[in-house]
Formats: sequence, C-alpha cells, structure tokens
Amino acid sequence: SQQGEEDPQALSIQEGENATMNCSYKTSINNLQWYRQNSGRGLVHLILIRSNEREKHSGRLRVTLDTSKKSSSLLITASRAADTASYFCATDGRGGADGLTFGKGTHLIIQP
Amino acid sequence: EPEVTQTPSHQVTQMGQEVILRCVPISNHLYFYWYRQILGQKVEFLVSFYNNEISEKSEIFDDQFSVERPDGSNFTLKIRSTKLEDSAMYFCASSEDLRGLSDTQYFGPGTRLTVL
Repeated sequence: SQQGEEDPQALSIQEGENATMNCSYKTSINNLQWYRQNSGRGLVHLILIRSNEREKHSGRLRVTLDTSKKSSSLLITASRAADTASYFCATDGRGGADGLTFGKGTHLIIQP
Repeated sequence: EPEVTQTPSHQVTQMGQEVILRCVPISNHLYFYWYRQILGQKVEFLVSFYNNEISEKSEIFDDQFSVERPDGSNFTLKIRSTKLEDSAMYFCASSEDLRGLSDTQYFGPGTRLTVL
C-alpha cells in the first residue's frame, strides 16, 4: 500500500485562483508535513500539522487534517506564478528520529 | 535563516567508484537524514542518524551505503561501489531534538549523482 498519495497528479489554474491539493495516507501518524519542490531543486518545508490538529494556516496556505479519513488537504489562496512547483505531503509513522514517507506529489502550474 | 547545505551540487562518477556526499546540517539540530529521489519518482528515506549512530534505515540502505559525522558540523553519505541505479538526487535533512516527538525536517538543496 502507498503512504502519502496526493491528488490530483497535476493541476493547472489561472493566477489569482485558489489551488487545492489532497493527500491520503494509510497508517497512523504523529504529524504530516507539506513540502514544495521547484523543478530539479530542493524541498522547501511549507507547514507541519500534528495529528491532534485539524487545521493550520501559514500566510496564503491552509492545511487541514482528518485523521479519521487519513487525509489532508493543502489550499493555496490567491495563487501566483511563483507558486508553480510540485507539492508533496510527507508522513511519519512514529515519534523520534523517523524517516518521512513522501507521496508522488501534485504538479501545480499557475498560468499568468 | 539557517539552512542545510550540501556539496557538491552535481557529482558525476564511473560505475564501481566510491563517492562521498557531504552535508552541513543546521547547527543546533541533532537528527540527520539522507533521502534520495530518482528522476521522476518519489523522495525515498534512506537513513536517520542521532547521537553518532544510525537510528533507522530503510531497505534501500544496504551494505554499500554508510554515513558518518566526522566532525561537529559535517554529515556524510558514502556509496562504496556505485551502480547505474544509484543515479539520483540525494537530499540531506536535519531536525531538532524534541525529546521523542517528530519535528520539521529541513532539507538541503540536494546533490545530483550521475553514475556512468
């Protein structure tokens, strides 16, 4: 089974619109993190939401977490061309020094 | 803002050669990680390191891989005898010690390894 699967795989919207990406996972988690990756570049941490949190905001980002459905969503409001990137959710299985499990990502294209 | 750095940005090597990828984690962080991303595929966890020893490793991290913290600032990944399938982007990450709670992992820009 796959942990941290995002959908859609690709999303193209007009600048100024909102973008919503979803992530589903299989096992219990302590937290879920969202990362952004520009083409061929490093991973930029966006936001971390803990299993006892339901919603979190950071600037134009809004993340929700539904542990009963094992799903999370990332909303980017008022999108900009610079938001064009791949977005990944990553989950951990246990506390401590634990490797993250990444999904395949959603490739977001913002049309100017 | 503190950041994880990695060198080199791109490494080209011949199959069978040894490579060492270097990372400087964020200075007050105590957990260190290596991940890899084969072109077009998911980011995959390789190994985590804490208190000068491996804390957890994935099935990918076999005997050809090793990690070391040779001094107070560097964290290295060594691949002893590279194979074509080792070609990938390798990311280093670090996180603070939260007494057993998971924390944000900050990633470096990556080293692109090309094995010919």
